[in-house]
Order: sequence, then structure tokens, then C-alpha cells
Amino acid sequence: GENVEQHPSTLSVQEGDSAVIKCTYSDSASNYFPWYKQELGKGPQLIIDIRSNVGEKKDQRIAVTLNKTAKHFSLHITETQPEDSAVYFCAARGTGGSYIPTFGRGTSLIVHP
Amino acid sequence: DGGITQSPKYLFRKEGQNVTLSCEQNLNHDAMYWYRQDPGQGLRLIYYSQIVNDFQKGDIAEGYSVSREKKESFPLTVTSAQKNPTAFYLCASRSGGVGGEQFFGPGTRLTVL
Repeated sequence: GENVEQHPSTLSVQEGDSAVIKCTYSDSASNYFPWYKQELGKGPQLIIDIRSNVGEKKDQRIAVTLNKTAKHFSLHITETQPEDSAVYFCAARGTGGSYIPTFGRGTSLIVHP
Repeated sequence: DGGITQSPKYLFRKEGQNVTLSCEQNLNHDAMYWYRQDPGQGLRLIYYSQIVNDFQKGDIAEGYSVSREKKESFPLTVTSAQKNPTAFYLCASRSGGVGGEQFFGPGTRLTVL
């Protein structure tokens, strides 16, 4: 089955800095890669996703890149703000009938004012 | 206002009691999922259902049961057979088709005393 590794587990940055979270996956058949943001005590919220036919996708201060050859994808947050502080999860999903994603273990991002 | 609702937000039970967690969605999604989240852990799949009256075990189904009698509802019962039930429980649903995105509810925190 699919295995997703996510690094780092904790990331501390100063407000205004950039933050990068990296994930690797093992199944070359995976073709959909969502990222979720989870604030304390809440459910994960889908913030951006990328499909395997695209190398990069941007949405304001957030971008995701995908390298299919190396089987890794990354979340980039620019000009970080304190409200970006949360746990971020990456996931990988293939086209199998159940469409169940495999999640990374999460990155706790702390943005210091 | 469409979305996924979970109730209650906090739930306390005595050891040995069964408890049922509610999950309702008005997104007209066919697929629904239950995940368990422990501190510092990723998301572990308990059960999932792709259509009404059908469901499959996930990675950690022991001690849990579900039903899917209506498209909108996917309740999870935590039975007394679950050895360590205290956790944060997340329900999710997915829009249909190959590219369907998965959305999460706000979660229920279950504490067994």
C-alpha cells in the first residue's frame, strides 16, 4: 500500500518568513495530493490540492509543487502570519476504487509574531 | 449552508459503556469516512462507506461499528470492546467521481473515564 512520509514534524518561523513542508510517497500510481490545515480542536480543512498532471499550483500565499519522478511534493507558505499556526497534513491518493487517501503524520507550524 | 456536522463536540462516558457519535452531511456525497486522531498522530481510518447500506473496515475497525441507512448519515458506535477509546474522532465525506475531494467535519472529542 501507499506510504506517506512528512517532514518536519515541527516547524517554527518568524512572522513574514516562508515555510516549507515536504512529503514523499511510495506508490507511483498516486495521482491526487491534497493538503489540509487543522487548527486546535477543529477538523482538518482542505487548503490546496494538486493532481499529477500539474507540477505547481498557487493560491495567494500558498503553493504546492509536485515532482512525480522523485515522488515528492511540498507545501510552500510565503509571508507567514500568526494565523497560519496550525498542524498541516499532506496526503496521497490513487485511482483505486475506494479513493482513500493516505495521510502524513502532520507538521506543527508555529509562526512567532 | 452545506457541510458536515458532528455531534456532540465533547462526549464523556464511563468505561464499559457503548457510545454513538453522530455524523450528518448535506453535501449529497456518496462516500463517508470515520477517522481516529490521537495526540501527535496522523489520521487513522476506522470505517468507510461508499454507498448506502454498504461499508468496509478500515485499518483500526476493532471495537467499532457503523451503519449507513441513509445517504446523509454515518453514525459510529464505540463499543466496550475498544480498549483505548479516548481520542478525537473525525467524520469525512467525499464528492463523487475520480477527482472527488474529501472534506472533514469539526470532530468529536470522546473521553472515557
